[in-house]
Amino acid sequence: GNSVTQMEGPVTLSEEAFLTINCTYTATGYPSLFWYVQYPGEGLQLLLKATKADDKGSNKGFEATYRKETTSFHLEKGSVQVSDSAVYFCALTGRDDKIIFGKGTRLHILP
Amino acid sequence: NAGVMQNPRHLVRRRGQEARLRCSPMKGHSHVYWYRQLPEEGLKFMVYLQKENIIDESGMPKERFSAEFPKEGPSILRIQQVVRGDSAAYFCASSPLASREVGYTFGSGTRLTVV
Repeated sequence: GNSVTQMEGPVTLSEEAFLTINCTYTATGYPSLFWYVQYPGEGLQLLLKATKADDKGSNKGFEATYRKETTSFHLEKGSVQVSDSAVYFCALTGRDDKIIFGKGTRLHILP
Repeated sequence: NAGVMQNPRHLVRRRGQEARLRCSPMKGHSHVYWYRQLPEEGLKFMVYLQKENIIDESGMPKERFSAEFPKEGPSILRIQQVVRGDSAAYFCASSPLASREVGYTFGSGTRLTVV
């Protein structure tokens, strides 16, 4: 079945550092790929998405590129802020339209 | 344009009681999904509903759990005879159509604590 694997956290960085959170997936066909963010005590918010190979999703300085050859969708940001501290979930939807989530990566940004 | 509304935000139940969790999708959304999040874990799919129909309940425990999405009113996730292991955050998501490209809108969740 479909699955998502993302790097385990927590990830701790200093403000203005470069961020990468790795995500790889297993799926049949051509899934759509997503990154969601969860701030403390809140629900999930869609951060960005990509629906076909080589698409780049971007939002709020975050980017991720749909790489079919490596089945990856790594999240990057050039300069993180304290306000980016949250849990980040990589996810996909396949033919059955269910979202499959990774386990999440907790990000701490130090001032 | 209100988002996905879930209530209550926090729910405390004693073992053996019933828990009812409500989800009102965004206006115009007819597809509802329920997910469960255990502490320090990702979200696990439970059930996918359209108005008056259960489309996929492959993630629902076979006993004590049920879900509905009536023609009028919110979607309800019902847990009978709750046990400590049911303590979790339950999230509802909605979408306007069954499109894997859309990305879903999530509510803020109901945090169930069984004591």
